[in-house]
Amino acid sequence: SAVISQKPSRDICQRGTSLTIQCQVDSQVTMMFWYRQQPGQSLTLIATANQGSEATYESGFVIDKFPISRPNLTFSTLTVSNMSPEDSSIYLCSVEPDRGYNEQFFGPGTRLTVL
Amino acid sequence: AQSVTQLGSHVSVSEGALVLLRCNYSSSVPPYLFWYVQYPNQGLQLLLKYTTGATLVKGINGFEAEFKKSETSFHLTKPSAHMSDAAEYFCAVSGSSYNQGGKLIFGQGTELSVKP
Repeated sequence: SAVISQKPSRDICQRGTSLTIQCQVDSQVTMMFWYRQQPGQSLTLIATANQGSEATYESGFVIDKFPISRPNLTFSTLTVSNMSPEDSSIYLCSVEPDRGYNEQFFGPGTRLTVL
Repeated sequence: AQSVTQLGSHVSVSEGALVLLRCNYSSSVPPYLFWYVQYPNQGLQLLLKYTTGATLVKGINGFEAEFKKSETSFHLTKPSAHMSDAAEYFCAVSGSSYNQGGKLIFGQGTELSVKP
């Protein structure tokens, strides 16, 4: 398993600004993921972030809007850029400690409200 | 392509009653299947998973699920509901191929309410 922390836990931001969310894992993992959970909805994968390579984005998500960094095997950041109220969501990071089983462990999430 | 359908966005049961949360999947490759639980204002916690082998899998907190390939289903059950089981439950599928890269496709979620 893995213990994951996220910062901030919640934030209220103004339209047009950017927020960077941090994800820290207590062990080294190759695969990290970023998800979005819009109000009352399920989770949607934004991108896969592997250390040493550029993030891979899912359809509907672009690097300019959601730039991701993965500087080492225990840390990643997701930036939500030029925010609008439609970006109000919970953003969760997850890790897959054991490649091949696709079992992911999730952080507590960052609850973002954009005014 | 893969997808997950959870039948019923809200399920309400009485304390002590059977819990049954339905999940059907679509997958072009042998699937790995998961159930996650999300308590209010918290992240997701893995309840149980099916990868290979025994089709009836047991998880934490007394939950279990049965993989039925012929029905493309992975329903979650618990014989006796407890008040602490009230939460949102998500079924998820991923490909069993190493090259699937761990992508999880989630269902819409089912909110479980437990009445005293």
